[in-house]
Amino acid sequence: DQQVKQNSPSLSVQEGRISILNCDYTNSMFDYFLWYKKYPAEGPTFLISISSIKDKNEDGRFTVFLNKSAKHLSLHIVPSQPGDSAVYFCAAGRGGSNYKLTFGKGTLLTVNP
Amino acid sequence: SAVISQKPSRDICQRGTSLTIQCQVDSQVTMMFWYRQQPGQSLTLIATANQGSEATYESGFVIDKFPISRPNLTFSTLTVSNMSPEDSSIYLCSAEQGKAFFGQGTRLTVV
Repeated sequence: DQQVKQNSPSLSVQEGRISILNCDYTNSMFDYFLWYKKYPAEGPTFLISISSIKDKNEDGRFTVFLNKSAKHLSLHIVPSQPGDSAVYFCAAGRGGSNYKLTFGKGTLLTVNP
Repeated sequence: SAVISQKPSRDICQRGTSLTIQCQVDSQVTMMFWYRQQPGQSLTLIATANQGSEATYESGFVIDKFPISRPNLTFSTLTVSNMSPEDSSIYLCSAEQGKAFFGQGTRLTVV
């Protein structure tokens, strides 16, 4: 039973355009959500997070939106840059905790120059 | 943010042997974790490494197969025992310090 789902294994966008990565979850106990970026041969690096008391969090070019009723979150990258090309993982935790995370399978983002 | 060094970065091992992966954090952390990422799959939590006590394993993972040590607040090891090709994965160490930070991973291939 996959509690965190990233249904798009890959996404390709043009440099300068918006990238939208989506994530759905099934466990209503999740109340903390994170996005990680992973380059080949490296560990995941933290990108941005959001708690369930918010519906939006912004950090520079990265914005995460949370729709609790739909159990859906998305990561927007504007403008997209070639260096953003990586695998993006959505992760969820509960009890206000960001450990013991449940991860999605990831989405490979390719930003074309 | 915590800096996590993990080694080896990769290894190719014979089936039936064991490999110990080391994880060093540059600061003291309460919580350390071990994850596995099988090909095409998400990161799956193996266990929580508790300092001074036995690790807490997630469903589907057992101590005999994945013994873990946590001798202090900056270091942990994971051993993959009696390996089979199905153990070929990326193994990741993580530490919680406000956020979950990860080591660079160990790519294990069992032949």
